[in-house]
Amino acid sequence: GAVVSQHPSRVICKSGTSVKIECRSLDFQATTMFWYRQFPKQSLMLMATSNEGSKATYEQGVEKDKFLINHASLTLSTLTVTSAHPEDSSFYICSARGTGRAGGYTFGSGTRLTVV
Amino acid sequence: AQSVTQLDSQVPVFEEAPVELRCNYSSSVSVYLFWYVQYPNQGLQLLLKYLSGSTLVKGINGFEAEFNKSQTSFHLRKPSVHISDTAEYFCAVSGSKQGNTPLVFGKGTRLSVIA
Repeated sequence: GAVVSQHPSRVICKSGTSVKIECRSLDFQATTMFWYRQFPKQSLMLMATSNEGSKATYEQGVEKDKFLINHASLTLSTLTVTSAHPEDSSFYICSARGTGRAGGYTFGSGTRLTVV
Repeated sequence: AQSVTQLDSQVPVFEEAPVELRCNYSSSVSVYLFWYVQYPNQGLQLLLKYLSGSTLVKGINGFEAEFNKSQTSFHLRKPSVHISDTAEYFCAVSGSKQGNTPLVFGKGTRLSVIA
């Protein structure tokens, strides 16, 4: 079945630094990638949607200059949290969609980001 | 636009008892419904989905759900729960089978199975 590999699973960084999270589709072409964040004991909130080769579309209230999304290939999308602050600490999850039989939603395993 | 309401934030149930987790949706277009389970610090695992056809959908781990269009519901059921079913459960809706329409999630229901 369709698999999305998300790395790292956990990261701790200092305030003011940047962190990159990668999501790779291993056995299908991810034409669309969705990025979600999840605060403790809360639901998944959509941050942005990206189509391969295009700029990402961000949800209202999400700072595009802070959360940089790159989807330059059909198998790789990255989310970079720039100048991270403690309030950015959260669980980030990607979800990929392809075409045809890969048209369902395939989730990565998530990244726990802690900013200290 | 689609939205999902999960009516119960927490559901405690004794081991081997039946359980129902409730989900109601709102959509102005065709609707595709999903249930996911999330264990602590992990991603989401798909339990089952309704795209079309039979309104009774069977999923993994003994779960099933019934799509009820007149009541706009998609409740999740299991006849006998195990301790290992303790987790967070999310109902989600999408307006398309493919393409760049994201999943919209409910707030989740915490299922706690008591020995």
